[in-house]
Amino acid sequence: GENVEQHPSTLSVQEGDSAVIKCTYSDSASNYFPWYKQELGKGPQLIIDIRSNVGEKKDQRIAVTLNKTAKHFSLHITETQPEDSAVYFCAASRVTGGGNKLTFGTGTQLKVEL
Amino acid sequence: GAGVSQSPSNKVTEKGKDVELRCDPISGHTALYWYRQRLGQGLEFLIYFQGNSAPDKSGLPSDRFSAERTGESVSTLTIQRTQQEDSAVYLCASSLDPDTEAFFGQGTRLTVV
Repeated sequence: GENVEQHPSTLSVQEGDSAVIKCTYSDSASNYFPWYKQELGKGPQLIIDIRSNVGEKKDQRIAVTLNKTAKHFSLHITETQPEDSAVYFCAASRVTGGGNKLTFGTGTQLKVEL
Repeated sequence: GAGVSQSPSNKVTEKGKDVELRCDPISGHTALYWYRQRLGQGLEFLIYFQGNSAPDKSGLPSDRFSAERTGESVSTLTIQRTQQEDSAVYLCASSLDPDTEAFFGQGTRLTVV
């Protein structure tokens, strides 16, 4: 089955700096890669996703890049703000019409310091 | 609009008791998923529903775990004879159809004492 590895496990940046979180996956058939943000005591919130037919997607300060050959994808947050502090999870799935069963990474605790 | 709703938010139960966790998906969402999140870890897939059927139950950890969905809406996850290792946050997610993005509820924190 799919295996997703995520690094780093913790990341501390100064407000205004950029943050990068990286994930690798094992199943070359995976074609959907979402990123979730989880604040303390809350459920994961989808912040951005990418499908395997594109290499990059951007939404304001957030971007995701995908390298299918190397089987890795990354989350980039620019101009970080204190409210970006949370745990971020990457995930991968093979979407074929039979459900979107996600395999998650182990999470990155991002802390944005003033 | 209303998101995915789960109840209860917290549940403390004694070892050996049965528990039922409820999920109300977003209205009109045909796909529903249950995940488990142990402390400090990522989410583990448990079961997937399309409509009222469960074509993928591969993540259920033992036969003490079962789930059902009725009316293509509410789902209940039941854990029988709870064990301490069942302590975790149980998260439900729904999506409009099988191939689209999943939206999560806030979870039920289960503590088995």
